[in-house]
Amino acid sequence: DIQMTQSPSSLSASVGDRVTITCQASQDISNYLNWYQQKPGKAPKLLIYDASNLETGVPSRFSGSGSGTDFTFTISSLQPEDIATYYCQQYDNLPPEYTFGQGTKLEIK
Amino acid sequence: QVTLRESGPALVKPTQTLTLTCTFSGFSLSTSGMCVSWVRQPPGKALEWLALIDWDDDKYYSTSLKTRLTISKDTSKNQVVLTMTNMDPVDTATYYCARISGSYSVFDYWGQGTLVTVSS
Repeated sequence: DIQMTQSPSSLSASVGDRVTITCQASQDISNYLNWYQQKPGKAPKLLIYDASNLETGVPSRFSGSGSGTDFTFTISSLQPEDIATYYCQQYDNLPPEYTFGQGTKLEIK
Repeated sequence: QVTLRESGPALVKPTQTLTLTCTFSGFSLSTSGMCVSWVRQPPGKALEWLALIDWDDDKYYSTSLKTRLTISKDTSKNQVVLTMTNMDPVDTATYYCARISGSYSVFDYWGQGTLVTVSS
């Protein structure tokens, strides 16, 4: 099974800050990597798919990059409504199998 | 508009079998490329993928849980059912169903989740 190592596990930042979260796969996953936002008591919401593609309707301050084993998720200018836990998720489609990172809890400083 | 909703018992006893139903609308599970999956999340912990069923009735399971899981669908009712046998307190979690589209790649729509507590 592919393991995903996400860091940091928690992060405190100020409004307007640039925020970066990383995710490392235990083996090459090409660009098969998605990012989700989960607010307390809510279901996850897809933000970025295939490492760098912004889901329709998601603000452009969110972005993703990377391929192979190392991936980065960035919020260019943190907004109060961005307070949430963020998860990376890798997928393998032969056969389908999915692994989530451990999550990064983002708080406002 | 795509919606999914989970239903099932809020409380089960250890060793019992859990049966959860996902009722969805806004898409058909007979359409090529469509899948429904189950994901769970213990309180305060990360997400864990459990199982998937696709439009062709192919079924896939988490390696660590596959001996305990069964997923099935009723296309006419727009429902997907997950059963998990031999429940244990460590299986206490919020269980989500989610649609997967695009070559088994992204969970693009999620239900609200249902909290299942395992306790005697």
